[in-house]
Order: sequence, then C-alpha cells, then structure tokens
Amino acid sequence: GAVVSQHPSRVICKSGTSVKIECRSLDFQATTMFWYRQFPKQSLMLMATSNEGSKATYEQGVEKDKFLINHASLTLSTLTVTSAHPEDSSFYICSASSFNRKQPQHFGDGTRLSIL
Amino acid sequence: SQQGEEDPQALSIQEGENATMNCSYKTSINNLQWYRQNSGRGLVHLILIRSNEREKHSGRLRVTLDTSKKSSSLLITASRAADTASYFCATDLSQGAQKLVFGQGTRLTINP
Repeated sequence: GAVVSQHPSRVICKSGTSVKIECRSLDFQATTMFWYRQFPKQSLMLMATSNEGSKATYEQGVEKDKFLINHASLTLSTLTVTSAHPEDSSFYICSASSFNRKQPQHFGDGTRLSIL
Repeated sequence: SQQGEEDPQALSIQEGENATMNCSYKTSINNLQWYRQNSGRGLVHLILIRSNEREKHSGRLRVTLDTSKKSSSLLITASRAADTASYFCATDLSQGAQKLVFGQGTRLTINP
C-alpha cells in the first residue's frame, strides 16, 4: 500500500527554536497534503491543506506565519513551526492524497514535538 | 468545530467479544471513513463508505451508514488484543480537496 514517511518522529528543543517537519510520499504523487495537530487523548484538528506548487490553505485560527507550510514537489511537504513555545508542544501528523480521489488519505506516523 | 461525535469515548471488552462504536455527524457528506490509531502513531485507514451505501464489510469489520440519521457504526467482530487502539470516524464533506473532519474517537481496549 501507499507509504507516507514523516520525519523526525520526535523533537525536543528549547523555546524560541524553529522546527521543520518533513512529510514524504514514497510511492505515489501527492497532489495534496494535509497537516493535522493532535493533543493528548483528543482528535485530529486540521491545520492546513497544501497543494503542490501553490500556497497552503489554513484553517480558521491557525497562524500562517507561525506554521509555515511548503509543498514544493509532488512527494514532499514541510511544516515549520517558527519560534516554537511550550504551547506548541503537540503531536503533528501529515497525510497525503493523490489526484485520484477514490483513494483514501495516507498518513505519516506523526511527529511528537516537545518545547521546553 | 468537530463534525463527528463518537460514542462511547472509551470501550473495554474481553477478547473474542464484538465491539461496536458509533459516530454521528452534522452536515451532508460525500463519504465517511473509519481510521485506527495505535498509541503515538499515525492513522491507518480501515474502511470507506460512500453516502449512497448503507453497509460495507472488510474482514472482521462491518460499517453501516444511515444518512437520514447522520450516523455510522463500526463493528469489530471476534476482537483480538491487537485491536486495542483508538478508532476515529472522519467525514469527507467536499467534492474537491478531500478535506476530512474527524470525530473525537473511541479508545478501545481488548482484554486478553
């Protein structure tokens, strides 16, 4: 089946650091990638949708200058948490889908971000 | 706000028993999907049911959809310890970007 690789799996860093998370589709062309945030024992909240070669669409309440998303190719999207603070600590998950909407989204294994 | 509400929030049963989880949603949908999430991991797609379908099976999984009641259920038969996970329903509202809205999830524990 389709594989989405997310890296790193865990990040621990100091407050004020910027952190980049990569999401790669390994065996298909991901025309659209999604970034979610999940707090402990809660559901996934969609942060933004990115289409290859265009600007990301952010959900209401998500700061685009805080969470920078780049989708430069059909296999790679990145999420950069800029000047991270403890309240940004969370589990971030990406997913990818192809132009063929008959296929479900394929999820990465997530990144546990801890800001000290 | 979340589209889906799931119940129960947590379910603990003995191995071999059946587990039923329910999901309700608020608006019209294109399809509804169920996902499983093991602790600290990403989501695994289980099954997709389209708005014009009423029931779907996949192995030990059975999903129903009642669009008149805006609800769906996931039944796992003959549960196994490996089924222990959180289960989420997700509704696909749009015709375009396949944007999913997730329910709150059910934490399922299968006791050996």
